[in-house]
Parts: sequence; C-alpha cells; structure tokens
Amino acid sequence: KNQVEQSPQSLIILEGKNCTLQCNYTVSPFSNLRWYKQDTGRGPVSLTIMTFSENTKSNGRYTATLDADTKQSSLHITASQLSDSASYICVVTGLSGGYNKLIFGAGTRLAVHP
Amino acid sequence: NAGVMQNPRHLVRRRGQEARLRCSPMKGHSHVYWYRQLPEEGLKFMVYLQKENIIDESGMPKERFSAEFPKEGPSILRIQQVVRGDSAAYFCASSPKGKSSKAGANVLTFGAGSRLTVL
Repeated sequence: KNQVEQSPQSLIILEGKNCTLQCNYTVSPFSNLRWYKQDTGRGPVSLTIMTFSENTKSNGRYTATLDADTKQSSLHITASQLSDSASYICVVTGLSGGYNKLIFGAGTRLAVHP
Repeated sequence: NAGVMQNPRHLVRRRGQEARLRCSPMKGHSHVYWYRQLPEEGLKFMVYLQKENIIDESGMPKERFSAEFPKEGPSILRIQQVVRGDSAAYFCASSPKGKSSKAGANVLTFGAGSRLTVL
C-alpha cells in the first residue's frame, strides 16, 4: 500500500535553532517527492521538489534530502524564524492507474517560539 | 497570473442545505484536484479531474458529494444535504499535466481554500 509517514507529528523549537523533519514512504514506483509548507488558514506552498536522482536540494534556509534506497527524506530548517511556524507536508508522487498519483503525509506541525 | 482561485473563502450552511465550492485553476492548467482538511488534520485527497472527465474519485464519499470540471468555467465541488461532519477546509489545486513523468509537470499549485461551516 502506498503510504507516506512523517515524524515527528509536532515539534516546538526556539527561534534561531535548527530542526529536521522526517518523511518515510512506501510509494512505488516513485516519481518525485516534494515538501510543502502550509501556514495556518492558507493553502500549501511548495518548498522543494526532488526526483529519484537528486540527493539534496536547498531553498534558502530549507534543505531537503532524499535517499531513494531507504525511501526516506528529511527537511532541515536552519536558523529558524517565527515565520517558520507552520505545517510541513511531505508529498510523494507515484504512478498509479496510468497517471501520477500524489500521496500526502499527515504533516509535521512546527511551532517556533521566541 | 492570478493563481488558483477558490470561492467562496468562507461558507456557512445549516444542516440539510447544499454547499457549492468553486475553483478556477491557474491559467494553462487543465488538471484539478480537490482535498479536504479537517481541523488539526492533514490533507485528504477527494477527487482528480480533467476538463469534462473525472479521473480518480476514490477519495470522494459515495453519497452527497459530487464534482465536475466543465469545458467552460470553474470546477465545482458540490455537497448536498450537508451535515456537521462536513465542516472543513476544502482545498483545490491545479497542475499543467497529470500523466507526465517530468518532475515539474505535476507540481500542484494550491488555492487558499474554502472553509465550510455547517451549523
């Protein structure tokens, strides 16, 4: 069964600290993986997208890694800011029924405190 | 480029009424997806549509819910005889293509969501 599991479910850190969010998936065949940020009351916004051949991709203070062998991805946030408080959603795309099907993780709720 | 437009942003209905949520995809996007998000939960897939076709409705409740994406006009998610459990945020997303294996081809762009409250 195609699944995407994220950990931790929620996380509280102090402003300026780093943190790492985890995503494990069992989606097969795999097409790509992306991380979205969802601020409270808003729609998700794409942070990074990674294909099978990419191991690391950065977007400002966000760095995503992908290990396609172990089917794991992480999102590392450096020097956190209060505005980083949001839900971070891991989405894996696999091929199903002849089209790309997106499997969503439940998200990690990050709270950055001053 | 106005992005994915959803309306209404907020909708209040009494039990038994109908709710209609509209989604206009980004310009050039021909694929629309609807997701439901209950309070404190993640996004749940409901339905995937192309123009005039429902491709995957495996996440859609069998009764009371329907979706369409006509040749002209926005995609509409329709909920008949709403119940309190239907209260949620409903997000629409669009992509330029659904079948391509290219990484960027199916990047979803989300709308701001429609928040349905059933009294």
